[in-house]
Amino acid sequence: EVQLVESGGGLVQPGRSLKLSCVASGFTFSNYGMNWIRQAPGKGLEWVAYISSGSSYIYYAETVKGRFTISRDNAKNTLYLQMTSLRSEDTALYYCARAYGATLDYWGQGVMVTVSS
Amino acid sequence: DIQMTQSPSFLSASVGDRVTINCKASQNINKYLDWYQQKLGEAPKLLIYNTNSLHTGIPSRFSGSGSGTDFTLTISSLQPEDVATYFCLQHNSGYTFGAGTKLELK
Repeated sequence: EVQLVESGGGLVQPGRSLKLSCVASGFTFSNYGMNWIRQAPGKGLEWVAYISSGSSYIYYAETVKGRFTISRDNAKNTLYLQMTSLRSEDTALYYCARAYGATLDYWGQGVMVTVSS
Repeated sequence: DIQMTQSPSFLSASVGDRVTINCKASQNINKYLDWYQQKLGEAPKLLIYNTNSLHTGIPSRFSGSGSGTDFTLTISSLQPEDVATYFCLQHNSGYTFGAGTKLELK
């Protein structure tokens, strides 16, 4: 069974940093691209970032480019999202999702990030 | 950027009803449209990918259709466990999500 479990969320002050993790199990992690998607309270879903299976290709939404860094450790079956210079508008539930082609076929349950002073 | 307009935002139907949810893209997205179900407190679940392909383990009462800019998710006979929010996702150019349809039982 494919499982994705996010962690690392919490309350952080504006301008500070936070690193999210997503541990994968039930499939060969190193064979799949991975994504981060977020949903702000009361808002729709927004794609955040993508990383290919071997980390050769990385893409970001314009809203986070230059502030967020996606990475992965295939030996640890773990996806990361390093978030810096956090803003109130980054407050959201963050999901990791596996890429099957360009389809997001399995998602985690999400981890909440709240940016507030 | 491609915009996705999903309708209706809210839908109330009875068990056994045929239910349809629509997504309209602001430009041609070919067949690259997926449908998801999200129950309260749970991870989104893929139902249909690339317009009309049923994901593994999804009941056959779910189906998808459309092409170009107009797409439809159909539940042929609504079941109580189908109460959820449904959203579409285009991946022809980047990723854009529909705003969601909240489906409840009448």
